[in-house]
Amino acid sequence: NAGVTQTPKFQVLKTGQSMTLQCAQDMNHEYMSWYRQDPGMGLRLIHYSVGAGITDQGEVPNGYNVSRSTTEDFPLRLLSAAPSQTSVYFCASSTPGLNPGELFFGEGSRLTVL
Amino acid sequence: GQQVMQIPQYQHVQEGEDFTTYCNSSTTLSNIQWYKQRPGGHPVFLIQLVKSGEVKKQKRLTFQFGEAKKNSSLHITATQTTDVGTYFCAGRVFGNEKLTFGTGTRLTIIP
Repeated sequence: NAGVTQTPKFQVLKTGQSMTLQCAQDMNHEYMSWYRQDPGMGLRLIHYSVGAGITDQGEVPNGYNVSRSTTEDFPLRLLSAAPSQTSVYFCASSTPGLNPGELFFGEGSRLTVL
Repeated sequence: GQQVMQIPQYQHVQEGEDFTTYCNSSTTLSNIQWYKQRPGGHPVFLIQLVKSGEVKKQKRLTFQFGEAKKNSSLHITATQTTDVGTYFCAGRVFGNEKLTFGTGTRLTIIP
């Protein structure tokens, strides 16, 4: 049971570099999302997707891009990393519908931007 | 936009004492969920409440959803060291699948 798999677990970037955080789930969940977690600020939604080919912005989308070409994968791209994007990033998925269920989280990716 | 606030931000209790965290939304919610995150871990689902005034229990944990569906609480009776972690509420509004998380309450236990 893989669940939600995130890679890499740790990453250090220099300001201006780009990178992609990978997220894959094997539960056939339509809904996928990315959150960032910073001390004292809880979990803030970056982008989410309700199915392949459909994405939408969350609370803090600036500086991040996403795409959803398959049900399984939902990568998060940082085009030009900034120190303010130093954070722990969580990918999560759930079943869709009128009463969506629980979110299943990946183990997180800790990103440091110097 | 929708905001979900939690109080307190931190709570230190002696082992065996009770603990309560409160969650308040700026908008009426269709449902609310609670998650627990252990130090260094990822959030793990605890429960979902859907009905106005709903109360659910899981062993020593009691969850309530307010009558107006804008607030919720989690109460832990007789805390144990295994209860250490950060507790988050998360709410959805009608017609929108995205889940907005509260700021979390970090619980530490003094043995």
